Amino acid sequence: AQSVTQPDIHITVSEGASLELRCNYSYGATPYLFWYVQSPGQGLQLLLKYFSGDTLVQGIKGFEAEFKRSQSSFNLRKPSVHWSDAAEYFCAVGARGSYIPTFGRGTSLIVHP
Amino acid sequence: DSGVTQTPKHLITATGQRVTLRCSPRSGDLSVYWYQQSLDQGLQFLIHYYNGEERAKGNILERFSAQQFPDLHSELNLSSLELGDSALYFCASSVEDRSGNTIYFGEGSWLTVV
Repeated sequence: AQSVTQPDIHITVSEGASLELRCNYSYGATPYLFWYVQSPGQGLQLLLKYFSGDTLVQGIKGFEAEFKRSQSSFNLRKPSVHWSDAAEYFCAVGARGSYIPTFGRGTSLIVHP
Repeated sequence: DSGVTQTPKHLITATGQRVTLRCSPRSGDLSVYWYQQSLDQGLQFLIHYYNGEERAKGNILERFSAQQFPDLHSELNLSSLELGDSALYFCASSVEDRSGNTIYFGEGSWLTVV
């Protein structure tokens, strides 16, 4: 079975600073990988996904993520954070042939003005 | 707006009661999923339906049940409610295409058991 770890429970950055949220997965083959964002009181919104091909994936709201097979990672990045990016971010991993992804516990992003 | 619609958005009920949460998936999506999100347990997968048939069960209690109807909407029934059932319940839907299976979430139904 697949698993995913988000090592950071909270991340604090200043507005305008760059951001990297870490995600490590465990799966025996090439997985499906996702990042979702949840604003307070809202549902989870898909930021980006990786299924195959180019390992650098562009998403919405200026986010990108890079799949690194050698490190079993799928870290989320943004070059310049805006105050509206403050939210909970979830990484998820799915096995090929399975409909059910496994979600990490989430990383809470706090943005200082 | 993901296209997944959930009702009600908020619900307060007493212990021992029964509630029904409703979900309409995105147009064309055959799969419906139910998740529970709480502070201590995180995001927990409950159950998956595909075109009316149950496909997978996760950490769903026996007091909970779900179904997906011919028009593809789904309902999650929670009975004999306990304080610990207070949580945010998400419905999600997906369609599998050549690029894989991507899940889209609704806004959730907040359940408070008092």
